[in-house]
Amino acid sequence: QKEVEQDPGPLSVPEGAIVSLNCTYSNSAFQYFMWYRQYSRKGPELLMYTYSSGNKEDGRFTAQVDKSSKYISLFIRDSQPSDSATYLCAMSEKGAAGNKLTFGGGTRVLVKP
Amino acid sequence: GAVVSQHPSWVICKSGTSVKIECRSLDFQATTMFWYRQFPKQSLMLMATSNEGSKATYEQGVEKDKFLINHASLTLSTLTVTSAHPEDSSFYICSARDLRGQGISYNSPLHFGNGTRLTVT
Repeated sequence: QKEVEQDPGPLSVPEGAIVSLNCTYSNSAFQYFMWYRQYSRKGPELLMYTYSSGNKEDGRFTAQVDKSSKYISLFIRDSQPSDSATYLCAMSEKGAAGNKLTFGGGTRVLVKP
Repeated sequence: GAVVSQHPSWVICKSGTSVKIECRSLDFQATTMFWYRQFPKQSLMLMATSNEGSKATYEQGVEKDKFLINHASLTLSTLTVTSAHPEDSSFYICSARDLRGQGISYNSPLHFGNGTRLTVT
């Protein structure tokens, strides 16, 4: 079993819809949670960064962390065709081990005009 | 925002040759940089942690003699794939942690370069 599980998709939605992405994980030591967006043949771009449980909102993006369920989510409101990309969740432990990020496999999202 | 530059963006080389990939932090100093590898439609796998002025730390299963890492300055880390073989063909991505304005150190978010696509023929 992978440490971080993420549905590979593809997830296809019409423009303007809400995109809902999630990851589950098994390592209870993870404290820091990130979402990255990766366009084809490009490096990942940091979208959201949260610590411990709770919600965080930034523009059209909302990240949620439920540590009790070991489950994190990313919501994209008013989706645009430019949001079509692969979305990677990533997480790390606290302290020195926090230098290492463990990634999910990524979910490919396609927003259709 | 923090910018991490990676060069070249793509390279094709013959089997048995060596290839060097550069990773630079353009507007911040990075004492630590990370090298990842990504196969098509798969996630990023950490290969090694590059520490300025000291030896790199390699992940289990990564051959340190094959993937040479040098972190000679606070803004530059290089990855050299030695005696490349077709199975080394992959997308290599570096990242660095920008500590400016951050109250926490180890767990500040990583910024990634745009990657280098290596094809070994």
